[in-house]
Amino acid sequence: EIVLTQSPTTMAASPGEKVTLNCLASSSVSYMNWYQQKSGASPKLWIYGTSNLASGVPNRFSGSGSGTSYSLTISSMEAEDVATYYCLQLSSYPYTFGAGTKLELK
Amino acid sequence: EVLLQQSGAELVRPGSSVKISCKASGYTFTDYYMHWVKQRPEQGLVWIGRINPANGNTIYAEKFKSKATLTADKSSNTAYMQLSSLTSEDTATYFCTRFRGYNRGFDYWGQGVMVTVSS
Repeated sequence: EIVLTQSPTTMAASPGEKVTLNCLASSSVSYMNWYQQKSGASPKLWIYGTSNLASGVPNRFSGSGSGTSYSLTISSMEAEDVATYYCLQLSSYPYTFGAGTKLELK
Repeated sequence: EVLLQQSGAELVRPGSSVKISCKASGYTFTDYYMHWVKQRPEQGLVWIGRINPANGNTIYAEKFKSKATLTADKSSNTAYMQLSSLTSEDTATYFCTRFRGYNRGFDYWGQGVMVTVSS
């Protein structure tokens, strides 16, 4: 089973601040997908295929990485970005999610 | 518009079983695998397994092989998950989600079904 380790677990960012969320895989994966989940809601596809923004995702978001190391970056934090972000690998069964990074507003 | 409409919340007794549904609309049901994901209160997401609605073929995560049973009804475009021998560890929200592909991931999600196991 591929274990995904997300860091940090929780972070607070000020409006306008650059934010980087990390996802480290225990084995190499082909792609990484990211999901945004707000309190009480279903997860939403946010970034797919490592670096492609899902429909409706603001372009202040970006994704990058390869092999075992991936990241999601917000170029300028906004209040609406408060959420928990999960990475997901689909390279091998069982599919696995990271434990999530909870992003708060400072 | 793609929609995955899940059944309502369930309150069930320990040791019993429950079957929850996920009705798909807005696309050809048999063209996409359906996956199921568990989320315990204030916890992260855990992949349960998937079903190919076209032929009923299933794959499960090891920890759910004796817990979950996935089925699909092509006539009603509905996927089902039955959970058996329920314990407090099964208290969670369960999501169905459509699989778009290995680099596209899960693109649409149901609203989730809260299953509470309590005597």
